[in-house]
Amino acid sequence: DAMVIQNPRYQVTQFGKPVTLSCSQTLNHNVMYWYQQKSSQAPKLLFHYYDKDFNNEADTPDNFQSRRPNTSFCFLDIRSPGLGDAAMYLCATSRDRGTQYFGPGTRLLVL
Amino acid sequence: RKEVEQDPGPFNVPEGATVAFNCTYSNSASQSFFWYRQDCRKEPKLLMSVYSSGNEDGRFTAQLNRASQYISLLIRDSKLSDSATYLCVVIRYGGSQGNLIFGKGTKLSVKP
Repeated sequence: DAMVIQNPRYQVTQFGKPVTLSCSQTLNHNVMYWYQQKSSQAPKLLFHYYDKDFNNEADTPDNFQSRRPNTSFCFLDIRSPGLGDAAMYLCATSRDRGTQYFGPGTRLLVL
Repeated sequence: RKEVEQDPGPFNVPEGATVAFNCTYSNSASQSFFWYRQDCRKEPKLLMSVYSSGNEDGRFTAQLNRASQYISLLIRDSKLSDSATYLCVVIRYGGSQGNLIFGKGTKLSVKP
């Protein structure tokens, strides 16, 4: 089945230790998104790739970076995680402006 | 004022009840509207799109009122499995992209 896959599902990291979250998709969608969702809050868009074009939200901290080496994969890099970065990180994909489909998320814990 | 606002609930209803959720959006440039469902500790999943003419999918009915900038979701004959958080989502298009703007969600708990 075509799907959006995120690895790992749970990630524990230490304060200040860089971490990378992975997303892959078999839907052949040209747009990939990264969202941060904290408990009892709405998902918050961090950035997205429209094809190869990177689009950063104005309020996304510099601590968050992303890479998209090819159509299928997209990575979220957190350069120096703080305690406040503990959250669920959701990857989503879409065909152009179409419906977004979400992966199962990676839950990040910062110790 | 947040761009998409929902009553956070929780809505606690018995099985078989009819329940309605409301959502308002502030940006009149918003162009597409959806309801997503999110189970605890899971990802959001598309429940249904919302059209001006109203649309129905089984026990679920969605309505859009562009003049009032208001979206609703009606669930009839509630099931235990309907317990979840329902997210109102608006897409605002700018340039070549469309960004999803999520409401904080309305929590529904259906009791036996």
